[in-house]
Amino acid sequence: AQRVTQPEKLLSVFKGAPVELKCNYSYSGSPELFWYVQYSRQRLQLLLRHISRESIKGFTADLNKGETSFHLKKPFAQEEDSAMYYCALSPTGGGNKLTFGTGTQLKVEL
Amino acid sequence: NAGVTQTPKFQVLKTGQSMTLQCAQDMNHEYMSWYRQDPGMGLRLIHYSVGAGITDQGEVPNGYNVSRSTTEDFPLRLLSAAPSQTSVYFCASSYKRLPPSYEQYFGPGTRLTVT
Repeated sequence: AQRVTQPEKLLSVFKGAPVELKCNYSYSGSPELFWYVQYSRQRLQLLLRHISRESIKGFTADLNKGETSFHLKKPFAQEEDSAMYYCALSPTGGGNKLTFGTGTQLKVEL
Repeated sequence: NAGVTQTPKFQVLKTGQSMTLQCAQDMNHEYMSWYRQDPGMGLRLIHYSVGAGITDQGEVPNGYNVSRSTTEDFPLRLLSAAPSQTSVYFCASSYKRLPPSYEQYFGPGTRLTVT
């Protein structure tokens, strides 16, 4: 069975500081990895996926199969980045069934 | 488009009562699913459906039933509510396809308290 681990419940950084939200997974096949974000009083929404190799709102994430990690990074945190971030995994051929991590609350302080 | 809608937004039940959480989407998505969100546990998949008439169990299906009679609707039924079912419930939908998977769209959630 697959598992997603986000070791930090809360990450607090100052505005302008770099951000790294950690995500590790365990899965024997080739998964798809995603980051979903939930801003205050908004719906959970997709931030980015590893297969797109894109930068969204300044965030990037690289899939490291050797370390089974998919850490989310941003060089300079903004106040509007404060939110709950979830790492999620979809198994090989599993289509749309997501396994989520427990989430990390990011707080950007002025 | 309204996207994914859920009703009610809040609900309080007594132990043993039954109820149905409603979920609808207007994006013609084949795939729909229900998750529950509990503190410190993230979101866990309860049931999912890959199309009308087809449903399957997720990680935590006990105590819940689902059906999918139309593409648009995917109700979640609590047969006999228990305090352990106190949670926030999210419905999600997406197109169904082989990898890479499509983005899932989430509803606003239903906050359920069982006393």
